[in-house]
Amino acid sequence: QVQLVQSGAEVKKPGASVRVSCQTSGYTFTNYALSWVRQAPGQGLEWMGWISAFNGNIKYAQKFQGRVTVTADTSTRTAYMELRSLRSDDTAVYYCVREGERDTYNPTYYFYFGMDVWGQGTTVIVSS
Amino acid sequence: EIVMTQSPATLSVSPGERATLSCRASQSVGNSLAWYQQKPGQAPRLLIYDTSTRATSIPARFSGSGSGTEFTLTISSLQSEDFAVYSCQQYNNWPRTFGQGTKVEIK
Repeated sequence: QVQLVQSGAEVKKPGASVRVSCQTSGYTFTNYALSWVRQAPGQGLEWMGWISAFNGNIKYAQKFQGRVTVTADTSTRTAYMELRSLRSDDTAVYYCVREGERDTYNPTYYFYFGMDVWGQGTTVIVSS
Repeated sequence: EIVMTQSPATLSVSPGERATLSCRASQSVGNSLAWYQQKPGQAPRLLIYDTSTRATSIPARFSGSGSGTEFTLTISSLQSEDFAVYSCQQYNNWPRTFGQGTKVEIK
């Protein structure tokens, strides 16, 4: 079955960086795109960025521009999200999610059906 | 960015009753609207996409409707496992945006 398995919890100090991985299985990696979504304690869901696993095209939320990098490694079917210059309000659960299926006939075009598969989440705590 | 507003924040419903949740977009999102269910300590789960299409394995008691800026999620007869937080999300535009969620609790 389709699975997204994320790396374990992290505790970081303010100003540090964190890198979360998302190992995928059960589908053709390059036929789909992935988004990263976070959820602060007691808060709603917040979209951070999106990456095409086919050609590496990226979209970022303006809020995180310059501070976040998302990548995808087709050889290991793994996506990564790095967040730098961490602050206490970056404390959250971070999710990788599958979002977008590539059009076979137009490889740079995606069909969207919501975020249909979610990783289990990675807790990142930022504290001095 | 498109702001998604959900109401009410909390909905108290008895098991077996009908629940109606609302989601409003600050500008039209066409029918590119999804609903998610989230239970404590779990990742969200996709319930509905394209406003009214149930995701795989989602029971028929969940239904979605609306278009443009006004959307509704209806749970026809609440089961014990349906008490959770429900969030709407638009995927018509970047950035993707979510509502703040409606908590459905036992009355």
